[in-house]
Amino acid sequence: KAGVTQTPRYLIKTRGQQVTLSCSPISGHRSVSWYQQTPGQGLQFLFEYFSETQRNKGNFPGRFSGRQFSNSRSEMNVSTLELGDSALYLCASSETGVGRNEKLFFGSGTQLSVL
Amino acid sequence: QQPVQSPQAVILREGEDAVINCSSSKALYSVHWYRQKHGEAPVFLMILLKGGEQKGHDKISASFNEKKQQSSLYLTASQLSYSGTYFCGTERQAGTALIFGKGTTLSVSS
Repeated sequence: KAGVTQTPRYLIKTRGQQVTLSCSPISGHRSVSWYQQTPGQGLQFLFEYFSETQRNKGNFPGRFSGRQFSNSRSEMNVSTLELGDSALYLCASSETGVGRNEKLFFGSGTQLSVL
Repeated sequence: QQPVQSPQAVILREGEDAVINCSSSKALYSVHWYRQKHGEAPVFLMILLKGGEQKGHDKISASFNEKKQQSSLYLTASQLSYSGTYFCGTERQAGTALIFGKGTTLSVSS
């Protein structure tokens, strides 16, 4: 099976712009979670989608949003970018989702730089 | 609430042992451990459930003390391949989000 695929691998944006990141989970996996990784802060949970519905949400402002399509692919959108949004954004997939004692399979991430 | 990992960093020589701790102030349902090598995606190591027993994975094992809400990851006879950042993730109850700690960086040299 192919692994979790994230596109694009790198993005450079300027403050105020918006950006959309994409994540294709492993075939058959219905849950997709998103994490923001910055040096010293670890992996901070953004949100989790399962069967096109947001199931869990972290403590991020409303500028961060996501959605999931019927084929389980997920997108994450960040509007009105700020310098502090520069980070590696990781998505992870699992069969039934976070909180069901399943392991997560992570993608390689999208490195976002905001100038 | 983010779990607290300690130490923040460990430097070892091949063959030495290390322990990484993960603590929470809230009751936990499960603890997950992942390792991330530089420039790569985090990779699953193991899950420990409330009421479960200690788990092992080659020379890496872990325990979960429910009374203390603490998990420990044991790396014995470390190898160069053990180098990376180790993250613990905690679930407060089934169905909730997996929240990760800030990570512990392990460096193993020959």
